[in-house]
Amino acid sequence: RKEVEQDPGPFNVPEGATVAFNCTYSNSASQSFFWYRQDCRKEPKLLMSVYSSGNEDGRFTAQLNRASQYISLLIRDSKLSDSATYLCVLEDDKIIFGKGTRLHILP
Amino acid sequence: NAGVTQTPKFQVLKTGQSMTLQCAQDMNHEYMSWYRQDPGMGLRLIHYSVGAGITDQGEVPNGYNVSRSTTEDFPLRLLSAAPSQTSVYFCASLSADRYEQYFGPGTRLTVT
Repeated sequence: RKEVEQDPGPFNVPEGATVAFNCTYSNSASQSFFWYRQDCRKEPKLLMSVYSSGNEDGRFTAQLNRASQYISLLIRDSKLSDSATYLCVLEDDKIIFGKGTRLHILP
Repeated sequence: NAGVTQTPKFQVLKTGQSMTLQCAQDMNHEYMSWYRQDPGMGLRLIHYSVGAGITDQGEVPNGYNVSRSTTEDFPLRLLSAAPSQTSVYFCASLSADRYEQYFGPGTRLTVT
Protein backbone atom coordinates (compact mmCIF):
# COMPACT_ATOMS: atom_id res chain seq x y z
CA ARG A 1 0.00 0.00 0.00
CA LYS A 2 1.25 3.50 -0.81
CA GLU A 3 2.04 5.73 2.17
CA VAL A 4 -1.02 7.87 1.57
CA GLU A 5 -3.77 7.24 -0.95
CA GLN A 6 -6.65 9.44 -1.98
CA ASP A 7 -9.25 9.10 -4.70
CA PRO A 8 -8.23 11.88 -7.11
CA GLY A 9 -11.85 12.53 -8.14
CA PRO A 10 -13.23 14.78 -9.34
CA PHE A 11 -16.27 14.52 -7.14
CA ASN A 12 -19.05 16.50 -8.84
CA VAL A 13 -21.66 17.28 -6.21
CA PRO A 14 -24.76 19.51 -6.37
CA GLU A 15 -24.87 22.48 -4.06
CA GLY A 16 -26.43 21.63 -0.73
CA ALA A 17 -25.51 17.96 -0.86
CA THR A 18 -23.33 16.08 1.59
CA VAL A 19 -20.04 14.68 0.34
CA ALA A 20 -17.44 12.52 2.00
CA PHE A 21 -14.05 11.25 1.00
CA ASN A 22 -11.43 9.10 2.61
CA CYS A 23 -7.70 8.87 2.77
CA THR A 24 -5.94 5.60 3.56
CA TYR A 25 -2.46 5.34 5.01
CA SER A 26 0.03 2.53 5.38
CA ASN A 27 2.09 3.45 8.45
CA SER A 28 0.24 2.45 11.59
CA ALA A 29 2.69 4.55 13.61
CA SER A 30 1.49 7.80 12.02
CA GLN A 31 0.75 10.16 14.85
CA SER A 32 -0.95 13.25 13.48
CA PHE A 33 -3.45 13.72 10.72
CA PHE A 34 -4.72 16.80 8.94
CA TRP A 35 -6.85 17.94 6.05
CA TYR A 36 -5.58 20.81 3.93
CA ARG A 37 -7.49 22.65 1.26
CA GLN A 38 -5.93 23.93 -1.95
CA ASP A 39 -7.72 26.26 -4.32
CA CYS A 40 -6.78 26.34 -7.97
CA ARG A 41 -3.36 27.93 -8.49
CA LYS A 42 -3.07 28.77 -4.79
CA GLU A 43 -1.07 27.41 -1.87
CA PRO A 44 -2.44 24.70 0.45
CA LYS A 45 -3.99 25.89 3.71
CA LEU A 46 -4.86 23.96 6.83
CA LEU A 47 -8.56 23.05 6.97
CA MET A 48 -8.62 21.02 10.15
CA SER A 49 -6.76 18.46 12.18
CA VAL A 50 -8.14 14.99 12.73
CA TYR A 51 -8.48 13.55 16.21
CA SER A 52 -9.16 9.97 17.22
CA SER A 53 -12.45 11.03 18.75
CA GLY A 54 -13.47 12.86 15.59
CA ASN A 55 -13.88 16.58 15.35
CA GLU A 56 -16.29 19.00 13.80
CA ASP A 57 -15.88 22.54 12.55
CA GLY A 58 -19.12 23.95 11.26
CA ARG A 59 -20.15 21.97 8.20
CA PHE A 60 -16.95 19.92 8.23
CA THR A 61 -16.40 16.72 10.17
CA ALA A 62 -13.12 14.81 10.25
CA GLN A 63 -12.67 11.32 11.62
CA LEU A 64 -9.82 8.90 12.15
CA ASN A 65 -10.16 5.15 12.03
CA ARG A 66 -6.87 3.70 13.30
CA ALA A 67 -7.99 0.09 13.02
CA SER A 68 -8.66 0.41 9.30
CA GLN A 69 -6.00 3.10 8.81
CA TYR A 70 -8.01 5.80 7.15
CA ILE A 71 -9.18 9.32 7.81
CA SER A 72 -12.31 10.87 6.41
CA LEU A 73 -13.70 14.30 5.67
CA LEU A 74 -17.44 14.96 5.54
CA ILE A 75 -18.84 18.21 4.17
CA ARG A 76 -22.50 18.93 4.85
CA ASP A 77 -24.69 21.44 3.01
CA SER A 78 -21.96 21.97 0.44
CA LYS A 79 -21.40 25.47 -0.96
CA LEU A 80 -20.00 26.57 -4.30
CA SER A 81 -17.03 27.95 -2.37
CA ASP A 82 -16.15 24.44 -1.17
CA SER A 83 -14.89 23.62 -4.66
CA ALA A 84 -11.20 22.89 -4.18
CA THR A 85 -8.70 20.07 -3.84
CA TYR A 86 -8.55 18.47 -0.41
CA LEU A 87 -5.19 17.11 0.69
CA CYS A 88 -4.75 14.48 3.35
CA VAL A 89 -1.60 14.98 5.45
CA LEU A 90 0.07 12.59 7.85
CA GLU A 91 2.95 13.10 10.21
CA ASP A 92 5.18 10.54 11.85
CA ASP A 93 8.89 11.23 11.57
CA LYS A 94 8.13 13.11 8.37
CA ILE A 95 5.23 14.97 6.85
CA ILE A 96 3.49 13.21 3.98
CA PHE A 97 0.95 14.79 1.66
CA GLY A 98 -1.61 12.86 -0.31
CA LYS A 99 -2.13 13.80 -3.94
CA GLY A 100 -5.50 15.30 -3.18
CA THR A 101 -9.16 14.81 -4.03
CA ARG A 102 -10.76 17.34 -6.36
CA LEU A 103 -14.22 18.51 -5.42
CA HIS A 104 -16.52 20.45 -7.72
CA ILE A 105 -19.74 21.83 -6.27
CA LEU A 106 -22.31 22.28 -9.01
CA PRO A 107 -24.91 25.08 -8.90
CA ASN B 1 3.01 39.25 10.06
CA ALA B 2 3.64 38.67 6.36
CA GLY B 3 3.77 34.91 6.94
CA VAL B 4 5.75 33.06 4.28
CA THR B 5 6.82 35.05 1.26
CA GLN B 6 8.30 33.76 -1.98
CA THR B 7 9.89 35.51 -4.91
CA PRO B 8 9.61 35.53 -7.82
CA LYS B 9 5.99 34.52 -8.53
CA PHE B 10 6.80 33.51 -12.10
CA GLN B 11 10.05 32.65 -13.83
CA VAL B 12 11.07 31.35 -17.24
CA LEU B 13 14.54 29.87 -17.60
CA LYS B 14 16.47 28.37 -20.44
CA THR B 15 17.97 24.92 -20.03
CA GLY B 16 21.30 25.17 -18.22
CA GLN B 17 20.64 28.47 -16.49
CA SER B 18 20.84 28.72 -12.73
CA MET B 19 18.70 30.71 -10.37
CA THR B 20 17.66 31.06 -6.75
CA LEU B 21 14.09 30.95 -5.49
CA GLN B 22 13.75 33.08 -2.38
CA CYS B 23 11.70 32.16 0.68
CA ALA B 24 11.35 34.06 3.93
CA GLN B 25 9.14 33.76 7.00
CA ASP B 26 8.63 36.13 9.89
CA MET B 27 7.05 33.72 12.37
CA ASN B 28 10.34 32.53 13.90
CA HIS B 29 9.62 28.96 12.80
CA GLU B 30 12.54 26.56 13.00
CA TYR B 31 11.28 24.03 10.44
CA MET B 32 11.13 25.09 6.81
CA SER B 33 10.76 23.08 3.64
CA TRP B 34 10.57 23.25 -0.13
CA TYR B 35 8.08 21.29 -2.21
CA ARG B 36 7.39 20.98 -5.88
CA GLN B 37 3.92 20.26 -7.17
CA ASP B 38 3.27 18.69 -10.55
CA PRO B 39 -0.06 17.59 -12.05
CA GLY B 40 -0.99 14.15 -10.77
CA MET B 41 2.06 13.96 -8.51
CA GLY B 42 0.97 15.91 -5.48
CA LEU B 43 3.42 17.78 -3.29
CA ARG B 44 6.90 16.29 -3.21
CA LEU B 45 9.48 17.33 -0.65
CA ILE B 46 12.74 18.63 -2.12
CA HIS B 47 14.74 19.76 0.91
CA TYR B 48 13.98 20.75 4.46
CA SER B 49 15.63 22.42 7.41
CA VAL B 50 15.02 21.97 11.14
CA GLY B 51 16.90 25.13 12.04
CA ALA B 52 19.58 27.58 11.01
CA GLY B 53 22.66 25.77 9.74
CA ILE B 54 20.85 22.43 9.33
CA THR B 55 19.45 21.12 6.06
CA ASP B 56 18.52 17.70 4.78
CA GLN B 57 17.27 16.06 1.62
CA GLY B 58 13.70 15.20 0.94
CA GLU B 59 12.18 12.92 -1.67
CA VAL B 60 13.42 14.67 -4.83
CA PRO B 61 16.61 16.63 -4.02
CA ASN B 62 18.60 16.11 -7.22
CA GLY B 63 19.35 19.31 -9.10
CA TYR B 64 18.60 21.55 -6.12
CA ASN B 65 20.67 23.05 -3.32
CA VAL B 66 19.57 24.82 -0.16
CA SER B 67 21.16 26.70 2.69
CA ARG B 68 19.82 28.07 5.96
CA SER B 69 22.06 30.80 7.31
CA THR B 70 19.25 32.47 9.26
CA THR B 71 15.98 31.33 10.80
CA GLU B 72 14.05 33.60 8.46
CA ASP B 73 15.44 32.68 5.04
CA PHE B 74 15.56 29.41 3.14
CA PRO B 75 16.57 29.89 -0.50
CA LEU B 76 16.39 27.12 -3.08
CA ARG B 77 19.01 27.07 -5.82
CA LEU B 78 18.62 25.41 -9.19
CA LEU B 79 22.14 24.62 -10.32
CA SER B 80 21.54 23.93 -14.02
CA ALA B 81 17.87 24.13 -14.96
CA ALA B 82 16.29 21.28 -16.91
CA PRO B 83 12.82 21.04 -18.51
CA SER B 84 11.97 18.36 -15.91
CA GLN B 85 12.19 21.09 -13.27
CA THR B 86 9.22 22.92 -14.76
CA SER B 87 6.84 22.97 -11.83
CA VAL B 88 5.21 25.02 -9.10
CA TYR B 89 7.47 25.43 -6.10
CA PHE B 90 6.11 26.01 -2.61
CA CYS B 91 8.07 26.99 0.45
CA ALA B 92 6.55 26.23 3.84
CA SER B 93 7.30 26.70 7.51
CA LEU B 94 5.97 24.61 10.36
CA SER B 95 4.65 26.00 13.60
CA ALA B 96 6.59 25.17 16.77
CA ASP B 97 3.92 22.74 17.94
CA ARG B 98 4.11 21.03 14.54
CA TYR B 99 0.40 21.68 14.13
CA GLU B 100 0.21 23.75 10.98
CA GLN B 101 2.34 24.24 7.88
CA TYR B 102 2.18 27.73 6.43
CA PHE B 103 2.82 27.87 2.70
CA GLY B 104 4.08 30.69 0.56
CA PRO B 105 2.11 31.66 -2.57
CA GLY B 106 4.33 29.60 -4.82
CA THR B 107 6.72 30.19 -7.71
CA ARG B 108 5.68 29.01 -11.15
CA LEU B 109 8.81 27.99 -13.00
CA THR B 110 9.05 27.08 -16.66
CA VAL B 111 12.28 25.73 -18.11
CA THR B 112 12.48 25.76 -21.91
